[in-house]
Amino acid sequence: DAGVIQSPRHEVTEMGQEVTLRCKPISGHNSLFWYRQTMMRGLELLIYFNNNVPIDDSGMPEDRFSAKMPNASFSTLKIQPSEPRDSAVYFCASSRTGNYGYTFGSGTRLTVV
Amino acid sequence: QKEVEQNSGPLSVPEGAIASLNCTYSDRGSQSFFWYRQYSGKSPELIMSIYSNGDQEDGRFTAQLNKASQYVSLLIRDSQPSDSATYLCAVRSTTSGTYKYIFGTGTRLKVLA
Repeated sequence: DAGVIQSPRHEVTEMGQEVTLRCKPISGHNSLFWYRQTMMRGLELLIYFNNNVPIDDSGMPEDRFSAKMPNASFSTLKIQPSEPRDSAVYFCASSRTGNYGYTFGSGTRLTVV
Repeated sequence: QKEVEQNSGPLSVPEGAIASLNCTYSDRGSQSFFWYRQYSGKSPELIMSIYSNGDQEDGRFTAQLNKASQYVSLLIRDSQPSDSATYLCAVRSTTSGTYKYIFGTGTRLKVLA
């Protein structure tokens, strides 16, 4: 099992540019989560999908952020336009539905300059 | 009041000692509780889960849950320098009726050789 796969590992972009983060969940996991981690705020849930359907996007900071899950094996998180305050580590995690813990991907470290 | 609270630390313990990490939560209806370990620059890794009052043991790790006091703890026996990491408590929130988990900001543990 390759685990949750995220790409890219690092992204440096200029303010105003579009950024797309990608995630492949573990096969058989039907819940997918996007988190953002900063020193100040810790791990914040951005959006949660179940069976490819967005269930809760209340954590998405603003309209500049959007997420999609076109099929069970792929999800994207897009920021357009990016701002310096978006700089953080973005994690994707997946799990089976129910009282199961998550498996996290390696994360994408985003730096917006 | 934060939904899940942890002391940020650092908690310093000598090698071989017992490390005790604590977490309190505000949602009285919470049902599932998890401990994650996160090494610096890495993603969180699930190490323990607990669902009912009492103790749950796995090797050197023991999770303790007291729902009446809304308190969950993690004990690490025979602490090793390799246990030095940030430990994140996660609680399944029932308010939304979904399977999302709320994370504490973590406690940094330092095991001194």
